[in-house]
Amino acid sequence: QSALTQPPSASGSPGQSVTISCTGTSSDVGGYNYVSWYQQHPGKAPKLMIYEVSKRPSGVPDRFSGSKSGNTASLTVSGLQAEDEADYYCSSYAGSIGWLFGGGTKLTVL
Amino acid sequence: QVQLVQSGAEVEKPGASVKVSCKASGYTFTSYNLHWVRQAPGQGLEWMGIIDPRSASPTYAPKFQGRVTMTRDTSTSTLYMELSSLRSEDTAMYYCARDSSDWCIDYWGQGTLVTVSS
Repeated sequence: QSALTQPPSASGSPGQSVTISCTGTSSDVGGYNYVSWYQQHPGKAPKLMIYEVSKRPSGVPDRFSGSKSGNTASLTVSGLQAEDEADYYCSSYAGSIGWLFGGGTKLTVL
Repeated sequence: QVQLVQSGAEVEKPGASVKVSCKASGYTFTSYNLHWVRQAPGQGLEWMGIIDPRSASPTYAPKFQGRVTMTRDTSTSTLYMELSSLRSEDTAMYYCARDSSDWCIDYWGQGTLVTVSS
């Protein structure tokens, strides 16, 4: 099973919004509402930002939001801040084969 | 507080095996499944498998079937991941991580760097 497809890079200026896509198939993203998003700063472990497509864990700013349409999930970061610059990974449950991750998107705050 | 503390860095030769440990604390060990995820240098995250600490039943990613073994010791709340027939492409940071029961990972270990080199 291939990894989920993410754009390698995204960027925006402070205060702007940016959306990162995550494309899978009907066997993973499209088949389950179990898409999550992780933020990873250099040299650090990933941090959960969104789970079950659009839910935010306690402590995650509401500037982060998630959605899904068909086989594509999206993460939107509104009101970009310098500390949002990081790598972002999507993940989806994929049934009997377990979990899949996307290839990651490097978000740059200009 | 929930903590996952992993064993230290390892250097292994091609063809050898490596066993990484992950000691859990701050919660009931048998109440949450645990994942192993790896990340090669400069690359993305790769899911390796998950284990139910109550039953010791693992599910492995197809890519690692036959080469990975995930076990646990409930008496010490410790998780183990052994990877055999190592090759240079297995050089990576290996993370243990707790499943939140909401189909995602809520806590991660600090990572264990495994280097495969002759």
